[in-house]
Formats: sequence, structure tokens, C-alpha cells
Amino acid sequence: QKEVEQNSGPLSVPEGAIASLNCTYSDRGSQSFFWYRQYSGKSPELIMFIYSNGDKEDGRFTAQLNKASQYVSLLIRDSQPSDSATYLCAVNQRVGNKLVFGAGTILRVKS
Amino acid sequence: GAVVSQHPSWVICKSGTSVKIECRSLDFQATTMFWYRQFPKQSLMLMATSNEGSKATYEQGVEKDKFLINHASLTLSTLTVTSAHPEDSSFYICRVLVAPGLAGYEQYFGPGTRLTVT
Repeated sequence: QKEVEQNSGPLSVPEGAIASLNCTYSDRGSQSFFWYRQYSGKSPELIMFIYSNGDKEDGRFTAQLNKASQYVSLLIRDSQPSDSATYLCAVNQRVGNKLVFGAGTILRVKS
Repeated sequence: GAVVSQHPSWVICKSGTSVKIECRSLDFQATTMFWYRQFPKQSLMLMATSNEGSKATYEQGVEKDKFLINHASLTLSTLTVTSAHPEDSSFYICRVLVAPGLAGYEQYFGPGTRLTVT
């Protein structure tokens, strides 16, 4: 079992729709979770992080965490073509502050 | 502006040569630097953890004699790919961890270095 799993996609949504990206992790003791966006040939850029169960909203983005189910999601409202990218879920390991990444989900927003 | 720089941003080298990649934190001291590698269409894989003044800790399967890491100061870590081969061609990215403040640790990624070995 991979430490962090994501559906590779591609996930295609029309412009203006809600994009839903999902991630599961194996280490039940993980405490912090991150969503990064990566454009082709570029370094990841942080979108959101979440530590507590529940929802965390920032603009068009909402991160959801369910530690009991070991599940993290990212919702993107009013999706724009510029949101088209690979979205990486990352989990911070308890020891050493190491970030473990999922394989990423390719999102395509069609205008 | 950027808080972490990498140099060079891209490099092409011949098989058998060595290449040095720098990761530099700007305007702050980094307690820990991490080196990641990303092959095309794959995710980031952690190679090693680097702390200033001590030996790097390598992940399982990463050859420490091939990927030399030097963290000589709180603002600079270098990754040297020795005797590079075409299979070492990848995108190398550093991640910098800043000592905890009121909001805890802060972390930043460098812009990455594209290495192509011919």
C-alpha cells in the first residue's frame, strides 16, 4: 500500500464547475496535510494545508480532512482554465518533518 | 519574491561527468533542507534530508556516494550528482524548512533544476 494515494486522472470539469480531488493516506498518526498545485516543468506551489478534522476554506478552495477515514480532499469552486494542473496531496510524517507526496491528480478545466 | 533559489535552473551534461546543484534560502536561515527528485509524469520522491553541519540522511534506495549532499551553512545546501548517467535525468527540487515561529514551521520549495544527461 502506498503511503499517499491519489487518482491519477485526468479529471475533466467544465469551467465554473466544482472540481473534487481526493487523497488517502496510510499513516494513521499523520498530523498535517497539504495540497500543492504543480504546472508542467515548475515546482509545486502550496495551495492549502490542514491539521484539524473538518473543512478549511480559502477563497475558491476548501480542504476537507477526516482522520478517522484517513482521507483528505480538495474542492475547487468556480473552476477556471488556469486551474488546469497536477494537484499533489502531501502528508507530513511524524518523524523528521518529511513530506510524502501522492502521485498527483491531473485536472483539466475546459472552457 | 522568491524565498528559495536553485542554481542552475537547468543543466545539460555528458554521461560520466558530475553536476552540482545549489539550493539557497534567501533572507532566512533554514534548519533543514530536503532534496526531491521528480521523473516525468511521476510524483516527487524524497532523496535525502540535510541538516546544517551534519551528514545527510538518505532515503532507502538512494546511493549516498552518487548523490553527495553538503549543507555547509544555514542558507546553502548543495547536491552533487557524481558520474551522471542518462537515467539520472530528472527534475531536482529542494524544500527548505524554517525554524518554528509563532505559526510553527514554515516550508518553501525551490524552483527546481532540470538535469539532462546525454
